[in-house]
Amino acid sequence: AQSVAQPEDQVNVAEGNPLTVKCTYSVSGNPYLFWYVQYPNRGLQFLLKYITGDNLVKGSYGFEAEFNKSQTSFHLKKPSALVSDSALYFCAVRDRDSPNSGYSTLTFGKGTMLLVSP
Amino acid sequence: AAGVIQSPRHLIKEKRETATLKCYPIPRHDTVYWYQQGPGQDPQFLISFYEKMQSDKGSIPDRFSAQQFSDYHSELNMSSLELGDSALYFCASSLSASGGVYQETQYFGPGTRLLVL
Repeated sequence: AQSVAQPEDQVNVAEGNPLTVKCTYSVSGNPYLFWYVQYPNRGLQFLLKYITGDNLVKGSYGFEAEFNKSQTSFHLKKPSALVSDSALYFCAVRDRDSPNSGYSTLTFGKGTMLLVSP
Repeated sequence: AAGVIQSPRHLIKEKRETATLKCYPIPRHDTVYWYQQGPGQDPQFLISFYEKMQSDKGSIPDRFSAQQFSDYHSELNMSSLELGDSALYFCASSLSASGGVYQETQYFGPGTRLLVL
């Protein structure tokens, strides 16, 4: 079974400051990891993913995430937050070594609300 | 770039009625996924299709069924609707990679907001 934990329901940061949204995962094999962002009344927008290779992944809108296998974490980061970054962020995992990993579902965390104040 | 299209965007039904949600994947995408997101909840996987065959099944109620058609669009059919079915229903699509290495990203549509009264 695979699972994702986002330990913070909400993260508050001032505009211009760095931000971190935490994510830890659990899979039986090796993970594919994803970050999505959801704005109010909108669908999920893909930000970035880790498949293999470099542990630091760069994605859309200046976001990046660092894969840490020993800590089973995939924290989302941005050097300088914008007010427009305020949204709900979901981390998701897929176990790439499961028997049906080609079609298996994404398992999402509960989401972290990011609030960036002016 | 073309995105996933879902229709309708909003739907109001009464208890025990039926509803059909439609999803049109990104062109050339061969896999479709359905998710349900309740108020304040994370998306929960319902079912997926690859090349018109059901590929994976999650927490989809027996009252719901889905299929993928020859043009790769998909429909989610919901019968005997209950109040608890009120949610945002997302469709996502992806393109399977070659060589058996499935790294595809799921791209989500805007969702259909279903309200059951």
